This record gives sequence, C-alpha cells and structure tokens, in this order.
Amino acid sequence: QSVLTQPPSASGTPGQRVTISCSGSTSDIGSNTVHWYQQLPGTAPTLLIYINDQRPSGVPDRFSGSKSGTSASLAISGLQSGDEADYYCASWDDSLQGYVFGTGTKVTVL
Amino acid sequence: QVQLQQWGAGLLKPSETLSLTCGVYGGSFSVYYWSWIRQPPGKGLEWLGEVNQRGNTHYNPSLKRRVTISLDTSKNQFSLNLTSVTAADTAMYYCARARGSGSYLSPWGQGTLVTVSS
Repeated sequence: QSVLTQPPSASGTPGQRVTISCSGSTSDIGSNTVHWYQQLPGTAPTLLIYINDQRPSGVPDRFSGSKSGTSASLAISGLQSGDEADYYCASWDDSLQGYVFGTGTKVTVL
Repeated sequence: QVQLQQWGAGLLKPSETLSLTCGVYGGSFSVYYWSWIRQPPGKGLEWLGEVNQRGNTHYNPSLKRRVTISLDTSKNQFSLNLTSVTAADTAMYYCARARGSGSYLSPWGQGTLVTVSS
C-alpha cells in the first residue's frame, strides 16, 4: 500500500528541467530519509538518489534530490531521451513499521 | 561488487505457497538487511519485508500473516515464502539489499515473474 503520493506523469522536451514531487506525512518523510529509484522499461529498479540528496557513483549530476518537512522532490535537468522511465520515492514509515514506496511517476520525453 | 541472482517457481495455483530464493555473490551478510519487493503487472512497487544476519525481521503489515523471509548464511542466500497465494499475488518479485533497516535498496535482483492461475 503506497502512502507516498507522486504525480502519475511528468514530461518535458530534451534539455528541459523536470521536477517530481513526493508527498508524505510526519511518520514517514517527516521522520526519515527519502530515496529515489529509477525503473527503465522492462528492467528492475535501480537506486538513483539516497538519503535525500546523495547520488550513487555513476549517476549523473543532472539528477538531484531534496527534502523539506513531509515532502521531497526529484529534479532532472538537461532532460534526455534515456531518462524516460518510472520514478519512485521511498521512505521508512514509523507508524507502519515498514518501508513505503511512492505511487510512481512516469517521465516522458517529448 | 555485490550481485543478486534470484530464482524460484514462476507458475502457481491458488492456495499454494510461493517460494523464491536470492543468491548473494561478491559480498557479506553483515551490516545489511535483505529485502523482498514485488510489482503487479502495470502497477507500482510494494515492499514485502526484510531480514538481517541476526534473524531480525520486519514485514509489510498487510501481508504479515502470510510472509516469511529467512537467511541462510552458509549458502549466501535468503528466501521468501508467501503462503495461500491468490491471483492478487501475481507480480514480478525482486530481492534487494538494504544498507540498514528501512534504508535505501541497492543492488536489486533481476526479478522473477510469478503468476497465480488455476
């Protein structure tokens, strides 16, 4: 059951900046770190951003994350066709005592 | 660099038990939590649970009565059992490593499609 809310879709032309929001509550994002995953078509998800704003090695600096209060955001600058994918935020929920994912956002490059 | 390789039965009948195993190659079990996640066709990700080397577990409350995740350090693998499956359990199942309890998941296994059909 997803308790983190994301917009179902986002789009932009090559080179543009796209931002994806992730809205939670005091028991999840408000109390814990946020992570972002990228799922390219037909593949397993991969870690994109961890601990709110950290990039794993190999992830371009075009991807950036931020967190404020009970919300988080993922920004993709210099949008490329290869960025077409589903993006999920995630966090721990202290009330559920479980890991929760966002509803997912499909990014389309026009 | 650690890699995860998973396997298990892909076709089940209703009421049967789903069993999947994830092999851990190139890394140790210490410090980490080992997790299972699933994704129904065309839908989002759902966390199922996690286990660490000490045998401490956390499960998704909505599935807690049916899910068991266990670790076999001698074989460098961990497993998922889900009892009394129904068509609603049809999904791609992924294993993954977590840096700590409820922390970020990386890497992920390649995924196993499990279909429940009579």
